[in-house]
Amino acid sequence: DQQVKQNSPSLSVQEGRISILNCDYTNSMFDYFLWYKKYPAEGPTFLISISSIKDKNEDGRFTVFLNKSAKHLSLHIVPSQPGDSAVYFCAARGNMLTFGGGTRLMVKP
Amino acid sequence: NAGVTQTPKFQVLKTGQSMTLQCAQDMNHNSMYWYRQDPGMGLRLIYYSASEGTTDKGEVPNGYNVSRLNKREFSLRLESAAPSQTSVYFCASSLYGTGLKGYTFGSGTRLTVV
Repeated sequence: DQQVKQNSPSLSVQEGRISILNCDYTNSMFDYFLWYKKYPAEGPTFLISISSIKDKNEDGRFTVFLNKSAKHLSLHIVPSQPGDSAVYFCAARGNMLTFGGGTRLMVKP
Repeated sequence: NAGVTQTPKFQVLKTGQSMTLQCAQDMNHNSMYWYRQDPGMGLRLIYYSASEGTTDKGEVPNGYNVSRLNKREFSLRLESAAPSQTSVYFCASSLYGTGLKGYTFGSGTRLTVV
């Protein structure tokens, strides 16, 4: 049973618009949430994170929102750029990192 | 470049063959991990080593063994490869356990078992 789920396998967005990637989790003991970005033939790289005691964290064009009552987090990318096209994984910290299945983002010029 | 280095990058095995995936990090990290990535399944933890001299099973350890050779190196061995082990394997490391920026990943080994 997956504890971290990304229900959208793919997302297509026009350049300059907002990209919203979603992630749901089931374990209320997770205390930290992270987003990773992965390009083809490369390993995942850390993008942004949020503590469970916060509801928002912003870093440049990237903002992560956490709704603990709904056990839901989202990554907003504004404005989206073609270089943002990649697979995005959310991850939750318990004893280890548990990853979601990933969402492939395609930003069209 | 500093980071996590995995070898080989690609490998094709026949069912029943054995092989070892190598991983080394030069960041003086204490903890190391092996993940596999399958479509729609995300990254699943196979084994991890919290510190030199210790190893523990993750979510999907069956069919694999690991060795923490020293602080830098953490290898993954498939004793008798099966088609179900066709996957992309990632090694990762962290300074101590699961820190606030997660793990640093290598670029992966794409393994095909025929």
